[in-house]
Amino acid sequence: SQQGEEDPQALSIQEGENATMNCSYKTSINNLQWYRQNSGRGLVHLILIRSNEREKHSGRLRVTLDTSKKSSSLLITASRAADTASYFCATRERGGADGLTFGKGTHLIIQP
Amino acid sequence: DAGVIQSPRHEVTEMGQEVTLRCKPISGHDYLFWYRQTMMRGLELLIYFNNNVPIDDSGMPEDRFSAKMPNASFSTLKIQPSEPRDSAVYFCASSLERVGTGGADTQYFGPGTRLTVL
Repeated sequence: SQQGEEDPQALSIQEGENATMNCSYKTSINNLQWYRQNSGRGLVHLILIRSNEREKHSGRLRVTLDTSKKSSSLLITASRAADTASYFCATRERGGADGLTFGKGTHLIIQP
Repeated sequence: DAGVIQSPRHEVTEMGQEVTLRCKPISGHDYLFWYRQTMMRGLELLIYFNNNVPIDDSGMPEDRFSAKMPNASFSTLKIQPSEPRDSAVYFCASSLERVGTGGADTQYFGPGTRLTVL
């Protein structure tokens, strides 16, 4: 079953602008992870945020987590054409199995 | 490190045939996961192993699917007999056990096997 639901489903912005994607989930989680998938390729891990963390940074990425609202956001600053990809949030449930539950993803297009 | 290795990268077969997908996890990783990705259902967990032991196979769609992990460096996902609705991209991922609290941590994905069943 789908746990994470990304919003929006598709996003098109100009190069240099910031891109924000949101993810909502339904159950208590151990951690939430964001992945990137380029067309026809595998998934690349971007960042992991644990349930006791509220914000995390990695380079041009900023992730927030609000466990009270069961939501997370991924901000990509100063976007580049190479950031064009699909972005997925994935959750690992608290007390549950170790597998991840993925959302349907946000397809991000960066216009040069 | 070579990352997670999957083979074949593409497989085209006819309905009724047996299909075997292979995965070599990152050396030293304790967990191995098999996922399937389709346009309709997105990414779904099929089964995962911890220290070569299957832990949760509740995502395996039917008895036609089976997975094994005979040793720490190799796993297979077998479909017998295959059907057109099995067409999808199958991903293998591996991860380390998180120190302290245990459980799987960041998962590293292979490039996937694109399966087409005619």
